[in-house]
Order: sequence, then C-alpha cells, then structure tokens
Amino acid sequence: GENVEQHPSTLSVQEGDSAVIKCTYSDSASNYFPWYKQELGKGPQLIIDIRSNVGEKKDQRIAVTLNKTAKHFSLHITETQPEDSAVYFCAASRGYSTLTFGKGTMLLVSP
Amino acid sequence: GAVVSQHPSWVICKSGTSVKIECRSLDFQATTMFWYRQFPKQSLMLMATSNEGSKATYEQGVEKDKFLINHASLTLSTLTVTSAHPEDSSFYICSARDPARGLAGGSYNEQFFGPGTRLTVL
Repeated sequence: GENVEQHPSTLSVQEGDSAVIKCTYSDSASNYFPWYKQELGKGPQLIIDIRSNVGEKKDQRIAVTLNKTAKHFSLHITETQPEDSAVYFCAASRGYSTLTFGKGTMLLVSP
Repeated sequence: GAVVSQHPSWVICKSGTSVKIECRSLDFQATTMFWYRQFPKQSLMLMATSNEGSKATYEQGVEKDKFLINHASLTLSTLTVTSAHPEDSSFYICSARDPARGLAGGSYNEQFFGPGTRLTVL
C-alpha cells in the first residue's frame, strides 16, 4: 500500500518568513495530493491540493509543487503569519482510493 | 459549500456504556463518508469507509462489532462505540466525499472533514 513520509515534524519560523514542508510517497500510481491544516481541537481543513497532471499550484500565499519522478510534493507558505500556526498534514491517494496521511508537521510562527 | 458537521463535539461516558456520534453533510449529498480516530500529537488513522445503503468497510485491526457504522442516508453517517473503555478515548473525526464536485471539474477525491468529537471514557 501507499506510504507517505512527511518532514519536518516541527518547524519554527519568524513572522514574514517562508515555510516549506515536504512529503514523499511510495505508490507511483498516486494521483491526488491534498494538504490539510488542523488547528488544536478542530478537524482538518483542506487548504490546497494538486493532481498528478499538474506540477505546481498556487493560491495566494500558499503553493504546492509536485515532482512525480522523485515522488515528492511540497507545501510552500510565504509571508507567514501567527495565524498560520497549526499542524499541517499531507496526503496521497490513487484514483478513488482512501487517503494516506503523513504524520504531520507542527508549524509555529513567532510574531 | 461542502460543510460537514459532527455531533456531539465532546462526550464523557462511563466505561461499559455505548456512545453514538453523528456525521452530517450539510450542503451536499455524500455517498461515501469516512471515520478516523486521532490520538494526541498523532496523524489521522482511518477506521472505516461508509457507503450509503451498504455495509461499512473496516480497516485491518478495527473491530466492526465494537465500532458500529450506519450510513442510512446520503447526508448522515453514525459511529457507535459499543461498550466503551478508557482505551477508546480519542478524537473521532468524520469526513465526506462530494461526488458532484468531481463532475463539476473539481477533484473527486476531495474529503471534507467534520470538526471532530472528543470522547473521554472514565
């Protein structure tokens, strides 16, 4: 089955800096890669996703890149703000199969 | 759009009792819903996939007789934790897939999560 590795487990940045979280996956047939943000005590919220036919997708301060050859994808957050502090999860799936999640990255943005 | 609710948001119960958690898709019809549990500082662990009108598919190691799932309508799935014990204490989260979004050009695999239910078994 699919295996998703996520790094780093924690990331501390200063407000205004950029943050990058990286994930690798094992199943070359995976074609859907979402990123979720989870605040303490809440459910995960989809913030951006990318399909395998696209190499990059951007939504304001958030971008995701996908390298199918290397089987890795990354989340990029620019101009970080304290409200970006949360746990971020990457995930991967093939077709209509279930999502396989990474272990999560706790992002701390200091004012 | 694509809002998923859960009820209750938290529940405390005595060991041996049963607890029911509801998951509703508020503005779309969800043919498929998923139930996850999450321990502190850990990732989401898929428990089962719930399809409307059919039996749930449980992940390996999840006891189907202990975690009863019912998906009787396109907007409601329920998870009942039977004979709960302290080790069942966890954060239970449901998600729903909106097939219409795939037809509209969105990603079929999008899952929209509920806010979660914190279960504490004394």
